[in-house]
Amino acid sequence: GEQVEQRPPHLSVREGDSAVITCTYTDPNSYYFFWYKQEPGASLQLLMKVFSSTEINEGQGFTVLLNKKDKRLSLNLTAAHPGDSAAYFCAVSDNNNAPRFGAGTKLSVKP
Amino acid sequence: DPKIIQKPKYLVAVTGSEKILICEQYLGHNAMYWYRQSAKKPLEFMFSYSYQKLMDNQTASSRFQPQSSKKNHLDLQITALKPDDSATYFCASSQDWGSSYEQYFGPGTRLTVL
Repeated sequence: GEQVEQRPPHLSVREGDSAVITCTYTDPNSYYFFWYKQEPGASLQLLMKVFSSTEINEGQGFTVLLNKKDKRLSLNLTAAHPGDSAAYFCAVSDNNNAPRFGAGTKLSVKP
Repeated sequence: DPKIIQKPKYLVAVTGSEKILICEQYLGHNAMYWYRQSAKKPLEFMFSYSYQKLMDNQTASSRFQPQSSKKNHLDLQITALKPDDSATYFCASSQDWGSSYEQYFGPGTRLTVL
């Protein structure tokens, strides 16, 4: 079945710096990709949903890149601010199964 | 109003006892899930249900038993509790079961087993 590896497990950046979180997956038939954000003490909330047909997806203050050839999904936070401090989880699915989650990345943005 | 309700928010149990974690969703979704999060395993998928039928079970232990009395309910019964079961248990739901549907997570139940 699908295997999702997420890196790094912990990431610390200064305010205004960029932060990059990457997930690699194994199933070439994966078609749907998700990023979730979990603020401290809170539940997970959907950040973005990506279809395999779109390689670049832009949100508010972040960009999601999908490289299907390398089976790699990345979340790039541009100009990170302390409010971005949270755990981030990717999720990947093929057409037949519910999404599988990565292990998560704890991001700390220091002022 | 909260769309996914999990009860209780905090739960303390003694080793060997049995507890039921409650989950109700009011999103009109047809699929529901249970996840567990602890320091050892950041987010661990446990079960998925669609229209009250079990679709996927990634939990090795039979001590964990989902119970679905209604389509919008998916409770989790845990028997013979162990300290290693201490974790936050998240319930989630999606419009339908399958790959394209994003999941909505409940606030979690933090279980501590002494």
